[in-house]
Amino acid sequence: RKEVEQDPGPFNVPEGATVAFNCTYSNSASQSFFWYRQDCRKEPKLLMSVYSSGNEDGRFTAQLNRASQYISLLIRDSKLSDSATYLCVVNIPSGTYKYIFGTGTRLKVLA
Amino acid sequence: ETGVTQSPTHLIKTRGQQVTLRCSSQSGHNTVSWYQQALGQGPQFIFQYYREEENGRGNFPPRFSGLQFPNYSSELNVNALELDDSALYLCASSLAGPGDTQYFGPGTRLTVL
Repeated sequence: RKEVEQDPGPFNVPEGATVAFNCTYSNSASQSFFWYRQDCRKEPKLLMSVYSSGNEDGRFTAQLNRASQYISLLIRDSKLSDSATYLCVVNIPSGTYKYIFGTGTRLKVLA
Repeated sequence: ETGVTQSPTHLIKTRGQQVTLRCSSQSGHNTVSWYQQALGQGPQFIFQYYREEENGRGNFPPRFSGLQFPNYSSELNVNALELDDSALYLCASSLAGPGDTQYFGPGTRLTVL
């Protein structure tokens, strides 16, 4: 089983739609969680950290469920500019703190 | 921008050669991590340096090695290049130690022929 699993997509949605991504992780010792966005052939950029209480940043909402070991990202009112790959990241204290990435979920927002 | 820079941006090598990739962290960031991202995959952790010491390593062979310098810039060295080493190599720095949020540089795209 992979340490972090994501549906690779692609998710093709119309502008204005709401779309949700889930990510599951296998290591219960995981301490922090993030969503990164990666545009084609570019570096990952931090979208948001994910907190146990859930957090929201504009049109983006992230949730963490430690009991079921998954995190989610909800994007409301999708824009064309949201088209990218969304990477789920788990920070595991294994000797050091290392980021474990999912393979990413591709989102394409259509006009 | 994250303030993390990498050089070169692109590189072409042949199998068996050696390569050195460089990363300059944000000012004051004492931790740097290196990742390999193959096409269609998420980044894979290679190793991390904290205050000039290796602080953890992923499942990469010893021909992948690194250094961190007193100014916290860093190098990734790969010996005896193989075709499968073709990938985007990313470095990421963090301010408050290994557990802190990581910020990525633009990457070096390595092609091994």
